[in-house]
Amino acid sequence: QQQVKQSPQSLIVQKGGISIINCAYENTAFDYFPWYQQFPGKGPALLIAIRPDVSEKKEGRFTISFNKSAKQFSLHIMDSQPGDSATYFCAARTPRGGYQKVTFGTGTKLQVIP
Amino acid sequence: DARVTQTPRHKVTEMGQEVTMRCQPILGHNTVFWYRQTMMQGLELLAYFRNRAPLDDSGMPKDRFSAEMPDATLATLKIQPSEPRDSAVYFCASGQTGYSPLHFGNGTRLTVT
Repeated sequence: QQQVKQSPQSLIVQKGGISIINCAYENTAFDYFPWYQQFPGKGPALLIAIRPDVSEKKEGRFTISFNKSAKQFSLHIMDSQPGDSATYFCAARTPRGGYQKVTFGTGTKLQVIP
Repeated sequence: DARVTQTPRHKVTEMGQEVTMRCQPILGHNTVFWYRQTMMQGLELLAYFRNRAPLDDSGMPKDRFSAEMPDATLATLKIQPSEPRDSAVYFCASGQTGYSPLHFGNGTRLTVT
């Protein structure tokens, strides 16, 4: 069962453009929504994260928009750069009894072309 | 800069052989996760440890996979016997309870022929 649905699967953006990746979830018990960035040959690394009591979080060129009623959240990359080319995973965490299980989306491969 | 260390980085083995992957979590982290990444399934959680105790291994094929944490500096994932469908990248991640991120190692790329 796919608890976190991510789209698109791949994305090509011109340098300087805006990259947008969307995620949707069903489980209202999720309490933490991180985004991870993965380069080839490396493990995923935390990019930015948000809690459901906040509608937006911005860190530099990266912004998470969160819509609790729609159970959707998205990552916006402003002024996209070739160095942003990577695979991006949204994730959601279940705090059940202190067991913090993190469920990942299927990933979006972003390519930023010069 | 503290990081999660995984060995080996690459492993090629024949079907039926035993495979052991090792992970050194970041010192002070009390949670350790094993994930498997494939093109088809993405990142799948295999096992989860907190304070070295296994809390969840429901994502792991019990008949051939086993995960242990003999001490705070070492986590192991063992496959016996290995099968071609086990070919994937296996990631170890560590973290702390609370609103803290997972720190991933660079993975072990396993190829079973």
